[in-house]
Amino acid sequence: SQQGEEDPQALSIQEGENATMNCSYKTSINNLQWYRQNSGRGLVHLILIRSNEREKHSGRLRVTLDTSKKSSSLLITASRAADTASYFCAMNYGGSQGNLIFGKGTKLSVKP
Amino acid sequence: GAVVSQHPSRVICKSGTSVKIECRSLDFQATTMFWYRQFPKKSLMLMATSNEGSKATYEQGVEKDKFLINHASLTLSTLTVTSAHPEDSSFYICSAPLGYRSNEKLFFGSGTQLSVL
Repeated sequence: SQQGEEDPQALSIQEGENATMNCSYKTSINNLQWYRQNSGRGLVHLILIRSNEREKHSGRLRVTLDTSKKSSSLLITASRAADTASYFCAMNYGGSQGNLIFGKGTKLSVKP
Repeated sequence: GAVVSQHPSRVICKSGTSVKIECRSLDFQATTMFWYRQFPKKSLMLMATSNEGSKATYEQGVEKDKFLINHASLTLSTLTVTSAHPEDSSFYICSAPLGYRSNEKLFFGSGTQLSVL
């Protein structure tokens, strides 16, 4: 299976703390994307990192990619209660977007 | 940004009935849309790729006669769960890529929670 693995499965932190989520995958990717899902809702695209990139920033989000280890991390700095959601990495192995394989997700709870 | 609208958000039906779920791209044309199924606390599993004007492409293990997909226009794809049974109860989500950057970003509908009694 090409499905990614994410850890931790669940993460509970206090507001203001940083949250780090990790994603590992198995074969070479074209790009890796992170999505957020609020409970019972659709997914929202957060950030994309290409296979030739090592780090990207977007606001309070920082994504890293280590292709040698086939892993990526998502860091949310200065977390807020509104960041409470599930976060999924999604690997694009090339071709159409239909080849986007989602990880199992990390459920983040930020306590006020 | 691009908006994908999905309806209904929740449906409860009796076993044996059929349920239609609509997915619309509101401000862009989508020649391709994707349908996913998500079980509680689980990841998204791609069910099928909906192609405007042609037959859908189903993933292995997904019954095409059970999950009918129609993509009649550039802004609308429908998923019909035929003769629904309790095991079909799940969260169904559609998505669409935007234009030429089809492998860089997906826009998702808000999902449909199907409960079959």
